[in-house]
Amino acid sequence: GQQVMQIPQYQHVQEGEDFTTYCNSSTTLSNIQWYKQRPGGHPVFLIQLVKSGEVKKQKRLTFQFGEAKKNSSLHITATQTTDVGTYFCVRYNFNKFYFGSGTKLNVKP
Amino acid sequence: NAGVTQTPKFRILKIGQSMTLQCAQDMNHNYMYWYRQDPGMGLKLIYYSVGAGITDKGEVPNGYNVSRSTTEDFPLRLELAAPSQTSVYFCASTSRDTQYFGPGTRLTVL
Repeated sequence: GQQVMQIPQYQHVQEGEDFTTYCNSSTTLSNIQWYKQRPGGHPVFLIQLVKSGEVKKQKRLTFQFGEAKKNSSLHITATQTTDVGTYFCVRYNFNKFYFGSGTKLNVKP
Repeated sequence: NAGVTQTPKFRILKIGQSMTLQCAQDMNHNYMYWYRQDPGMGLKLIYYSVGAGITDKGEVPNGYNVSRSTTEDFPLRLELAAPSQTSVYFCASTSRDTQYFGPGTRLTVL
């Protein structure tokens, strides 16, 4: 189908530890997007990846798109309490956006 | 710019009641979307619109209707509310593949 699968569902880390969430698709993706939703808030766009093997960085966040364009990952180095929230990968296809189920990150100070 | 605005913020409905969730954007975006988000889940697309006068179904359209008479407004109508429609509803508009979300409407149907 059109859905993307995300693992893990939850992740609890100590502040300063690293965090990674993975997104997998059974079909080749034309692109993958990542959004962050703070508790009680709305999703906020982080980044879009379109090229095979693409790697993009935003400060402590590193986004990767797999060589086969069937998976993606988001890695956060040295988490901070401000990183708390749910991270969604999203595929965009023919004017429609399909959200993964998300990874909920909790950071203990 | 206010971005994407949604009203109301909260609403409690009785089974069988009707209501309209309002969504407006002032960014002159052609594409607009309605999603629902159940607890602990991702967002599911209900309806979307690629411009005034054009709407299309998403993944979960049953029980909902939309209209798009202007570029700015994209209301979502619930005709006969059911408990299964208890959810948080987000409206979004899109520019260059980036979605901008409103703050959401938390709806409870009892």
